Amino acid sequence: GDSVTQTEGLVTLTKGLPVMLNCTYQTTYSPFLFWYVQHLNEAPKLLLKSSTDNKRTEHQGFYATLHKSSSSFHLQKSSVQLSDSALYFCALSDYAQGLTFGLGTRVSVFP
Amino acid sequence: DMKVTQMPRYLIKRMGENVLLECGQDMSHETMYWYRQDPGLGLQLIYISYDVDSNSEGDIPKGYRVSRKKREHFSLILDSAKTNQTSVYFCASSSRTGGYAEQFFGPGTRLTVL
Repeated sequence: GDSVTQTEGLVTLTKGLPVMLNCTYQTTYSPFLFWYVQHLNEAPKLLLKSSTDNKRTEHQGFYATLHKSSSSFHLQKSSVQLSDSALYFCALSDYAQGLTFGLGTRVSVFP
Repeated sequence: DMKVTQMPRYLIKRMGENVLLECGQDMSHETMYWYRQDPGLGLQLIYISYDVDSNSEGDIPKGYRVSRKKREHFSLILDSAKTNQTSVYFCASSSRTGGYAEQFFGPGTRLTVL
């Protein structure tokens, strides 16, 4: 079946530094990948999505590129802000069950 | 305004009691979902509903059942709740299943089973 792997459980960093959150996936279908962000005590919200190989997609300063050759969809930001502290989920869509989520990466940004 | 609502937001029940969690959406979405979220386990799919009276088990359906009698409402029922069902439950909806369809999530229900 489908699976999504996020290797970092917790990422702590200082405001203004760059961040990269890893996401790899396995599927037998054509992949549709998503990043969702969940702030404390809030619902998950879509951050960005892609199904196009080797094309960078951007939203709210975050960006990611789907690489089918390596089954990856890493999330990056050049300069994190305090408001970026949240839980980030990578998710994969299939045609029957909707989204398969990774376990999530918690990002904590300090002043 | 596109919205998914959940009621109640917080609920405390005793083991063995029945639990009803309700979800509504105003986007006329066909597909609706119930997830539970536990620390370190991410979001786990309990049930998916493709439309009225068209429901399918997700990854962890045991101990749960669902009801969808109107497109805009999707209920999650716990018959005789157990302590290990203490969790945060999220409802979501999407315009279709799979592919590029974005899921819109409700604010969640925090359920504690004592």
